[in-house]
Amino acid sequence: QQQVKQSPQSLIVQKGGISIINCAYENTAFDYFPWYQQFPGKGPALLIAIRPDVSEKKEGRFTISFNKSAKQFSLHIMDSQPGDSATYFCAASMYGAAGNKLTFGGGTRVLVKP
Amino acid sequence: GAGVSQSPSNKVTEKGKDVELRCDPISGHTALYWYRQRLGQGLEFLIYFQGNSAPDKSGLPSDRFSAERTGESVSTLTIQRTQQEDSAVYLCASSSPRIGGGSPLHFGNGTRLTVT
Repeated sequence: QQQVKQSPQSLIVQKGGISIINCAYENTAFDYFPWYQQFPGKGPALLIAIRPDVSEKKEGRFTISFNKSAKQFSLHIMDSQPGDSATYFCAASMYGAAGNKLTFGGGTRVLVKP
Repeated sequence: GAGVSQSPSNKVTEKGKDVELRCDPISGHTALYWYRQRLGQGLEFLIYFQGNSAPDKSGLPSDRFSAERTGESVSTLTIQRTQQEDSAVYLCASSSPRIGGGSPLHFGNGTRLTVT
């Protein structure tokens, strides 16, 4: 059962453009939604996270938008740079549970062309 | 400070052999997780350790997979009688409990396992 669906699988954007990645979840018990960034040969690293009490969170050029009723959330990368070229994973978990067992989406490979 | 360390970084083994993968978490992190990442796919949860509590083994795909952790230190993931479908990158992560939850996972660079 794929509890977190991510799209697109890949995208190409010009430098300075906006990258948009979408995720949808099924389990209504999920209430913590992080995004992880992974470079080739490295493990994923936390980029930004949101909880359902807000509809949007911004950190620098990265913004998460959250729609609780639709059970969807998205990552927007503004002013995309070649250094942003990486694979991005959305994830979900139950915030108050012991530990932070994340369920990941399938990943989006982003290529930013100079 | 030192991050999560995994060894070996690469492992090639023959089908049917057993393999052991090692993870050294960040010092002081009580939670430890193993994930599997098949080529071009997302991360698949395998097992989670939290302190001295019983591990959450709900993601282990078969009884050929097992993991141990001694206290709050090193963990080993063992795959017995390896099959070609076990070929993947095995990622370990650790985290420090945060009041309320949502503690970020710190991942190692993984062990790339190839079963020939």
